[in-house]
Amino acid sequence: QSALTQPASVSGSPGQSITISCTGTSSDVGSYKFVSWYQQHPGKAPKLMISEGDKRPSGVSNRFSGSKSGNTASLTISGLQAEDEADYYCCSYVGSGTLMFGGGTKLTVL
Amino acid sequence: EVHLLESGGGLVQPGGSLRLSCAASGFTFSNYAMGWVRQAPGKGLEWVTGVHAGGAKTNFPDSVKGRFTISRDNSKNTLYLQMNSLRAEDTAVYYCASMQGWTFEYWGQGTLVTVSS
Repeated sequence: QSALTQPASVSGSPGQSITISCTGTSSDVGSYKFVSWYQQHPGKAPKLMISEGDKRPSGVSNRFSGSKSGNTASLTISGLQAEDEADYYCCSYVGSGTLMFGGGTKLTVL
Repeated sequence: EVHLLESGGGLVQPGGSLRLSCAASGFTFSNYAMGWVRQAPGKGLEWVTGVHAGGAKTNFPDSVKGRFTISRDNSKNTLYLQMNSLRAEDTAVYYCASMQGWTFEYWGQGTLVTVSS
């Protein structure tokens, strides 16, 4: 099974909003609410930003939000800040006790 | 504060074996599912496997099926990953993570496994 599809890169200026998409199929993203998003800075471990599609863990800025429509999940970051520059990964439960990550998106803050 | 510390990584020859450990603290380890995720150099994240709080194991991706085994010792608050028949493509940083449902909630800093002759 192929990885979930994410854009390789997105960019935005400070203060702007950006959205990163994560596209799967009706058998994975479209069938389950268990989509999560992770932020990873260079050389660091990933950090959970969004769980179950739209739940924001304690301590994560409310500038981060998640949503889903059909077979595509999305992560939106509003009010972009320099420290948001990182790689972002989606992950979805795909059935049969199996998880799958997206290929990752590099966010550049211009 | 949740703390996960991986160990056991290193250089191993193709076909060899390695056992990774993940020592957990700061939470009730026995109540949580745990998992392993890896990241090859310069590449994205790849889910490896997981184990529920009660010991039931998740599936494995085809890339490691039949070669890797996950286990846990709740008395030692430790998670393990036994890796056999290692291949060059298994070279990666291996992260352990606590799981809440199907979400990786907290992550360790990772341990590097290099498979090379």
